[in-house]
Amino acid sequence: AQSVTQLDSQVPVFEEAPVELRCNYSSSVSVYLFWYVQYPNQGLQLLLKYLSGSTLVESINGFEAEFNKSQTSFHLRKPSVHISDTAEYFCAVSLGSGGYQKVTFGTGTKLQVIP
Amino acid sequence: GAVVSQHPSRVICKSGTSVKIECRSLDFQATTMFWYRQFPKQSLMLMATSNEGSKATYEQGVEKDKFLINHASLTLSTLTVTSAHPEDSSFYICSATDVNGYTFGSGTRLTVV
Repeated sequence: AQSVTQLDSQVPVFEEAPVELRCNYSSSVSVYLFWYVQYPNQGLQLLLKYLSGSTLVESINGFEAEFNKSQTSFHLRKPSVHISDTAEYFCAVSLGSGGYQKVTFGTGTKLQVIP
Repeated sequence: GAVVSQHPSRVICKSGTSVKIECRSLDFQATTMFWYRQFPKQSLMLMATSNEGSKATYEQGVEKDKFLINHASLTLSTLTVTSAHPEDSSFYICSATDVNGYTFGSGTRLTVV
């Protein structure tokens, strides 16, 4: 079975500073990897995903993540954060074959952008 | 893009009553839907996988008689929390898959008093 580890439960960062949210996964087979964002009392919104191909994936709002197979990581980065990025971010993994299967989530990282 | 509508967004019910939560895929057909539960300040835990026209597959530790799942059509899955108790208070989220991946509903905040 696959698992996801998000080591940082909270990350405070000043506005316009860069940020990295760490995610490591464990799986013996190929996987799909995702980052989701959740605002208070709302559902999850897909930020970006890695299915195959280029290991660097980007979102429309400036986030990017790089799939590193040797380090089994999928860290999320943004070069300059905004107040509006304050939210909780979940890394997730699913099996990378046989269609989309159930997703396993990390415990989440709360990003707090300080003005 | 794909949209999943979840209703209601919030519900408060008395202990011992049942609550039904609906999850609809609005512009696509979803043969598979997933139901998650999220406790405060915790991650999402998969409760069950709902397959259209067949019985749901429950994760270990989830009571199938308490959390009834019905996936009667390709666009609708329902979760019924039967005989709800305060410990069932939680945030419930559904998701559906299409060719592009997973789409999540906006969640239902259930409070049992």
